[in-house]
Amino acid sequence: KQEVTQIPAALSVPEGENLVLNCSFTDSAIYNLQWFRQDPGKGLTSLLLIQSSQREQTSGRLNASLDKSSGRSTLYIAASQPGDSATYLCAVEAAGNKLTFGGGTRVLVKP
Amino acid sequence: DAGVIQSPRHEVTEMGQEVTLRCKPISGHNSLFWYRQTMMRGLELLIYFNNNVPIDDSGMPEDRFSAKMPNASFSTLKIQPSEPRDSAVYFCASRRQGAYTEAFFGQGTRLTVV
Repeated sequence: KQEVTQIPAALSVPEGENLVLNCSFTDSAIYNLQWFRQDPGKGLTSLLLIQSSQREQTSGRLNASLDKSSGRSTLYIAASQPGDSATYLCAVEAAGNKLTFGGGTRVLVKP
Repeated sequence: DAGVIQSPRHEVTEMGQEVTLRCKPISGHNSLFWYRQTMMRGLELLIYFNNNVPIDDSGMPEDRFSAKMPNASFSTLKIQPSEPRDSAVYFCASRRQGAYTEAFFGQGTRLTVV
């Protein structure tokens, strides 16, 4: 059974510092990995999707890497801003069209 | 596109009552997912459909939960009878079926059963 873990559960950084968020999964037989952002009381917003054949994906200040063999992905957010404060979740898709989510990392960027 | 649309946004009901949550997926998306989110358990997949057909309902907690997708543009999740432990945020998500497509989520329905 696929298990997805995100550590730490919460993170607080001063504005301008780079953010590093970690995601690990137990079964490396995945199709893709997706990073989401969730603001309080809101739904999930897709940030990046990395296919299993890719090593990384970039969008603006966001960069996500994937090391499938070791079961890890990292989301980097450069030059963090207070507006980046949210919960970030990773999800992996394996056979069966299912997305399995991690517990999320709650990020606070202090001005 | 308006995105995935869920209704109602908030629902407060008494224990024992029937609750129906509604979802309109993004047009052209042929996979639809129902998730439940709680502080204790995080995001849990309840059921998903491909081309309106239920594929995996192993996450549905009890027989009190049922889901339907009568056509490509509408799905319902019903709880009958509701219990206080069903209180959670219920999300609907959709995507184009395939291994390399993003999933898009609705804003969720916050259900409170008193």
